[in-house]
Amino acid sequence: DQQVKQNSPSLSVQEGRISILNCDYTNSMFDYFLWYKKYPAEGPTFLISISSIKDKNEDGRFTVFLNKSAKHLSLHIVPSQPGDSAVYFCAAMEGYNNDMRFGAGTRLTVKP
Amino acid sequence: NAGVTQTPKFQVLKTGQSMTLQCAQDMNHNSMYWYRQDPGMGLRLIYYSASEGTTDKGEVPNGYNVSRLNKREFSLRLESAAPSQTSVYFCASTHGGQAYYEQYFGPGTRLTVT
Repeated sequence: DQQVKQNSPSLSVQEGRISILNCDYTNSMFDYFLWYKKYPAEGPTFLISISSIKDKNEDGRFTVFLNKSAKHLSLHIVPSQPGDSAVYFCAAMEGYNNDMRFGAGTRLTVKP
Repeated sequence: NAGVTQTPKFQVLKTGQSMTLQCAQDMNHNSMYWYRQDPGMGLRLIYYSASEGTTDKGEVPNGYNVSRLNKREFSLRLESAAPSQTSVYFCASTHGGQAYYEQYFGPGTRLTVT
């Protein structure tokens, strides 16, 4: 069962505009959420995280929003840059459980 | 500081053959993980080692074994490869005992089983 879902396989935005990547989850026990970025032929790299006690976390151009009641989180990138073009994975986990669940990823293309 | 390294980068096996994927990290991390990534799917946890001397099953452990050789190294073994194990395998490590610490990933091993 897919407990973490990224329903948009791809997203294309213009340079300088906002990119919004979405993620939904079904397991209400998840209490920590992460976003990873992946370039071709490389391993994923950590981008930003949020715990369930917060509804927003910001790091430079990247902001993650968490809506627990809707079991939904989103990643905002402002402004988007061509170097942001990559696959973005949403991941979630429950407390001290090491079993992190990943979404299928969204391929972001930022056009110059 | 090489981070997380994986060998080999590519491998082709015939059904029934065995092989070991190697992973090493030089960041003095306690926890290490093995994931597989299949087309259209996210990464799925195969096994993890929260600390030296311990290993636990993840979401998809069947057909695999692991060894935490020491704090630096965590290997994944396929005893009898099957076409369903064709995938890209990623090793990762973290500082802490729980995965919510930032995970550092290796570049991956692309495995094809014919």
